[in-house]
Amino acid sequence: ETGVTQSPTHLIKTRGQQVTLRCSSQSGHNTVSWYQQALGQGPQFIFQYYREEENGRGNFPPRFSGLQFPNYSSELNVNALELDDSALYLCASSIEQRTSYTEAFFGQGTRLTVV
Amino acid sequence: AQSVTQLGSHVSVSEGALVLLRCNYSSSVPPYLFWYVQYPNQGLQLLLKYTTGATLVKGINGFEAEFKKSETSFHLTKPSAHMSDAAEYFCAVRRNTGGFKTIFGAGTRLFVKA
Repeated sequence: ETGVTQSPTHLIKTRGQQVTLRCSSQSGHNTVSWYQQALGQGPQFIFQYYREEENGRGNFPPRFSGLQFPNYSSELNVNALELDDSALYLCASSIEQRTSYTEAFFGQGTRLTVV
Repeated sequence: AQSVTQLGSHVSVSEGALVLLRCNYSSSVPPYLFWYVQYPNQGLQLLLKYTTGATLVKGINGFEAEFKKSETSFHLTKPSAHMSDAAEYFCAVRRNTGGFKTIFGAGTRLFVKA
């Protein structure tokens, strides 16, 4: 157990809809990253939040957005869902400090299916 | 820019045989390197990591990896494969600019034959 929990575990949405995925970071972790993992591929970096601000973004369109809350929980929002958005969405938390960090601890993921 | 290449999308070994999963990285600065394992329909679990210091890194479940700067490699090995090792393995490099993101390779699926 990594202490990172994601909800829901599975989700089915219709093309064009909007979805919100949630992540509860490990206690004390100040950074959360979101990844998209399509079937048979490695995780692709979506974005990262550090102290409630976006701190880096991958090659994903603006309809992918996020939030990090003061208690270090986080949300990933995807608008105007497309069929290609079907994937496992992984949340990872870590501690980032000026002189040290921890590796990323991953949740179990949310399997999103867009039909 | 950092990147990771895993050689071989599938590797098959017999139970008890040596496991070797290959990973090469590119990085303009000394990298932090990781190996993660993923079982079906689960998240990623850290096997081992290299940050600084000793270049031979030991991880969980009998796995180890050696950082070779001259070869820009970080191959994962295990002397004797077990059926429970069958999973997807990801090599990753940590990027320390433009956000502290971890970049993953495409993965190598390990099959273990009885």
